[in-house]
Amino acid sequence: AQSVTQLGSHVSVSEGALVLLRCNYSSSVPPYLFWYVQYPNQGLQLLLKYTTGATLVKGINGFEAEFKKSETSFHLTKPSAHMSDAAEYFCAVSDSGGYQKVTFGTGTKLQVIP
Amino acid sequence: DTAVSQTPKYLVTQMGNDKSIKCEQNLGHDTMYWYKQDSKKFLKIMFSYNNKELIINETVPNRFSPKSPDKAHLNLHINSLELGDSAVYFCASSLLEGGKDTQYFGPGTRLTVL
Repeated sequence: AQSVTQLGSHVSVSEGALVLLRCNYSSSVPPYLFWYVQYPNQGLQLLLKYTTGATLVKGINGFEAEFKKSETSFHLTKPSAHMSDAAEYFCAVSDSGGYQKVTFGTGTKLQVIP
Repeated sequence: DTAVSQTPKYLVTQMGNDKSIKCEQNLGHDTMYWYKQDSKKFLKIMFSYNNKELIINETVPNRFSPKSPDKAHLNLHINSLELGDSAVYFCASSLLEGGKDTQYFGPGTRLTVL
């Protein structure tokens, strides 16, 4: 069974400050890991994903995440927050074989303070 | 535009009614999904079809019946609607290419049962 834990349901940062959203996963097989963003009243948009290879993954809008197997983590970061980054962020895990079922975390709401 | 589309975007109905939500993707994907997002933003998979064949069927009341007339469409029919069915329902699609399974989401259908 696979699972995802997102630490902190709400995170507030000042505009221009570092964004750090935490995600830890549990998977019995090598995982595929994803970060999705959901803006108010919209669907989910893929920010970035890790499958194999380089452990530092760059995504859209200046976000990046690092896969750390030893820590079972896939934290999302952005050096400088922008007002437009305010949204709900979901970490997700999928196993790497067969018909994958993607399991989502409970989400972290990012607030950016001007 | 290439995308995953859902209709309707909003659906308000009375308890006991039967309703359908439609989903279409023109991304050439072979797998489609239905997710339910509750009031706490928790996303849970309900069903998945690969090439019109049901491959994931989570513990969902049998009042919910997915139908896939072709691999570009996955509709969700709900019988005898209950208050607890109120949620946002997201359709998604993916291409199981190399097992990477990146899912692309529709804009969601907000169902309100009165």
